[in-house]
Amino acid sequence: QSVLTQPPSASGTPGQRVTISCSGSSSNIGDNYVYWYQQLPGMAPKVLIYRNNQRPSGVPDRFSGSKSGTSASLAISGLRSEDEADYYCAAWDDSLSGFWVFGGGTKLTVL
Amino acid sequence: EVHLVESGGGLVKPGGSLRLSCAASGFSFSSYAMNWVRQAPGKGLEWVSSISSTSSFIFYADSLKGRFTISRDNANNSLFLQINSLRAEDTAVYYCAREATTGMDWGQGTLVTVSS
Repeated sequence: QSVLTQPPSASGTPGQRVTISCSGSSSNIGDNYVYWYQQLPGMAPKVLIYRNNQRPSGVPDRFSGSKSGTSASLAISGLRSEDEADYYCAAWDDSLSGFWVFGGGTKLTVL
Repeated sequence: EVHLVESGGGLVKPGGSLRLSCAASGFSFSSYAMNWVRQAPGKGLEWVSSISSTSSFIFYADSLKGRFTISRDNANNSLFLQINSLRAEDTAVYYCAREATTGMDWGQGTLVTVSS
């Protein structure tokens, strides 16, 4: 069971807007930045959002991130078929000696 | 461009050991913390270990402490993961990842299969 909680699946049709939630606690999301990673089938993960809501260069502005309290969310607008992938949230957790925590992942299907 | 290439994976019997390597290029390796993250077949990402740029700080996932040892060689731009007493549940793709303010940059991974 993952420390960060994500829905296992999400779906939408092309052009739609979908959101993926990520729930944590005060020791991780509540106190630290949230990152979102996209993993296309058969590929390594790639950072999509860093520091809660920042996009690396090359990531389309269709992708956006937000954080409130101990929860975060990833929004994808103008859904495209190539967005079909697994999405993971991540944050540093300050409890114990410190460690990275990931969500269980959300499989996004473009219908 | 950040380039990370993992190696050292393969088929190993339960109880055996492996040393994974990650060759880094395209950035100043000695300036960044590095991580190992694994992914069991069909499962999600699981953080394994982190090491600071100068090896002063090392962190492990609680469930893996004692069998995994992370290390680095800044002179040769390399990251390592020693895994002992391998179990079937250690079967996974092991990714090397650079830790930057812009998030983690990942290698392509190396597959470790533990089976008799």
